Amino acid sequence: GEDVEQSLFLSVREGDSSVINCTYTDSSSTYLYWYKQEPGAGLQLLTYIFSNMDMKQDQRLTVLLNKKDKHLSLRIADTQTGDSAIYFCAENSNSGYALNFGKGTSLLVTP
Amino acid sequence: EPEVTQTPSHQVTQMGQEVILRCVPISNHLYFYWYRQILGQKVEFLVSFYNNEISEKSEIFDDQFSVERPDGSNFTLKIRSTKLEDSAMYFCASSPQGLNQPQHFGDGTRLSIL
Repeated sequence: GEDVEQSLFLSVREGDSSVINCTYTDSSSTYLYWYKQEPGAGLQLLTYIFSNMDMKQDQRLTVLLNKKDKHLSLRIADTQTGDSAIYFCAENSNSGYALNFGKGTSLLVTP
Repeated sequence: EPEVTQTPSHQVTQMGQEVILRCVPISNHLYFYWYRQILGQKVEFLVSFYNNEISEKSEIFDDQFSVERPDGSNFTLKIRSTKLEDSAMYFCASSPQGLNQPQHFGDGTRLSIL
């Protein structure tokens, strides 16, 4: 099966930028997604990028996509303590219905 | 903003008992999904559902699992005879269309099997 890979932990200081990286496997994915999970909560669709785009910006969030290397990143500018959460990268499966998730990157923002 | 809602938030059940997890997808969405997340592991796809039929299911979704849309708003996951290893967070999701579309998730039901 395919694996979506992410680093497990990231710690940044409040006000700094955070960059969360992901490598995916299915080059036919139409969209690639970032979900946020706060403690005890569900999966919040944070942002997503169409596969024919290189970059998408949405307020403090910037998504970069390198299709050649199958690399996706999420940059959070001016990181706040409220951004502390687990961030999941996801791609569509070969069938298109299921989402394949990475194991999640736990972001800790310290004052 | 419309949300996917799931009930109950926490379900405790004895091993071997049947359990039904309930979801109300976003009202104009047509595709519905169930995922599970065992503690400390990644989110895993169980099943997708469209037009009163299963469109895809994973290896996890064996004969003890079933899904149903009993009315115009609810979408349920039934586990017929629960095992200890069914303990997990179960997430429902929906999307307006099916293939390769963003999916919106509920807050999940934590299922604990004793």
